[in-house]
Amino acid sequence: KAGVTQTPRYLIKTRGQQVTLSCSPISGHRSVSWYQQTPGQGLQFLFEYFSETQRNKGNFPGRFSGRQFSNSRSEMNVSTLELGDSALYLCASSSGLGDEQYFGPGTRLTVT
Amino acid sequence: AQSVTQPDIHITVSEGASLELRCNYSYGATPYLFWYVQSPGQGLQLLLKYFSGDTLVQGIKGFEAEFKRSQSSFNLRKPSVHWSDAAEYFCAVGAASGGSYIPTFGRGTSLIVHP
Repeated sequence: KAGVTQTPRYLIKTRGQQVTLSCSPISGHRSVSWYQQTPGQGLQFLFEYFSETQRNKGNFPGRFSGRQFSNSRSEMNVSTLELGDSALYLCASSSGLGDEQYFGPGTRLTVT
Repeated sequence: AQSVTQPDIHITVSEGASLELRCNYSYGATPYLFWYVQSPGQGLQLLLKYFSGDTLVQGIKGFEAEFKRSQSSFNLRKPSVHWSDAAEYFCAVGAASGGSYIPTFGRGTSLIVHP
């Protein structure tokens, strides 16, 4: 089985812009979760989608949003980018039954 | 709210030596516990997990961890470290929510392996 893929792998944006990141889960997995990893805050949970519905949400401002499509692929969007949004954004998929999560390699976002 | 503490930011061991990475958690109910490893520029890979049952859990790459409820700990061990084990290790506790779980991660322990 192919693993979790994330595109793009690297991205440079300017403050105030918006960005969309994409995640393709492992085939058959219906749950997709997103995480932000920074040196200062560590790994933080953003949100989880299951069957196109947001099931859980972390403590992030409304600038961070996501969605999931019928084929389980997911996108996350960050609007009005701030310097502090520079981070590695990780996506993970699972069967959605409380099973273990499989992580993608991440998208490295740099905001200048 | 749940929390995870990994007291050691860095640990240095010699190749072939034994390893123990510490993890303490705070959670009101029976926790889901995990250890992940992250190599530079990569995502996380699950080493092992504890949901219930036997408190000594075997994982991949020769790792094991022991759940001690009385100490709120879930320490990771390996009897003989290989140079390829050098990486960042994260302990996580999962809180059940909406048919799934939300993991809270520790800040990580960086493992350095000397030849």
